[in-house]
Amino acid sequence: DAGVTQSPTHLIKTRGQHVTLRCSPISGHKSVSWYQQVLGQGPQFIFQYYEKEERGRGNFPDRFSARQFPNYSSELNVNALLLGDSALYLCASSLGTGLIDTQYFGPGTRLTVL
Amino acid sequence: KQEVTQIPAALSVPEGENLVLNCSFTDSAIYNLQWFRQDPGKGLTSLLLIQSSQREQTSGRLNASLDKSSGRSTLYIAASQPGDSATYLCAVQEDDMRFGAGTRLTVKP
Repeated sequence: DAGVTQSPTHLIKTRGQHVTLRCSPISGHKSVSWYQQVLGQGPQFIFQYYEKEERGRGNFPDRFSARQFPNYSSELNVNALLLGDSALYLCASSLGTGLIDTQYFGPGTRLTVL
Repeated sequence: KQEVTQIPAALSVPEGENLVLNCSFTDSAIYNLQWFRQDPGKGLTSLLLIQSSQREQTSGRLNASLDKSSGRSTLYIAASQPGDSATYLCAVQEDDMRFGAGTRLTVKP
């Protein structure tokens, strides 16, 4: 079975641009969460979507937005990119809300902002 | 606010040693605790999930324990191998998942 997939693998943008990152969950999983991991730190929670509705949001500015589609795939959008947005962006899926079940992570998208 | 701390930040051991990685958290009102492995520049691989009502979980050479009352978890790796070299992250699940900064493990042949 295919795991969580993310695209693109790597991305280079300049300050002020916007970016869209994509995630496909494991088949049958209804929850998708997004995390930002800066080099040398643990991942930080950005968003969770469950059954196409936003279920949680971390401490990130409004420049960050996301959505989940009817097929449970998800997009993370970041506007007005800053140098500090350079990070590995991870997507995770789970069968349920993730409160009691395992979250499975994708390989991530490495975003570099110049 | 939940804070998750992992000690040590880095660890280097010779092959074959048994080792313990530590994770502490400040708020015991968690749903579960999960241990992950991360290879350089890669995503996270789930190793073990301990529900809040459980005390430990085992998978092969790995054993994880959870003591909610003291806010601690340990990951025990038996008979370490060079292939175990990676960063190990613990995360606690509240309404969202909070991660520690990880322990970078190097197992020398």
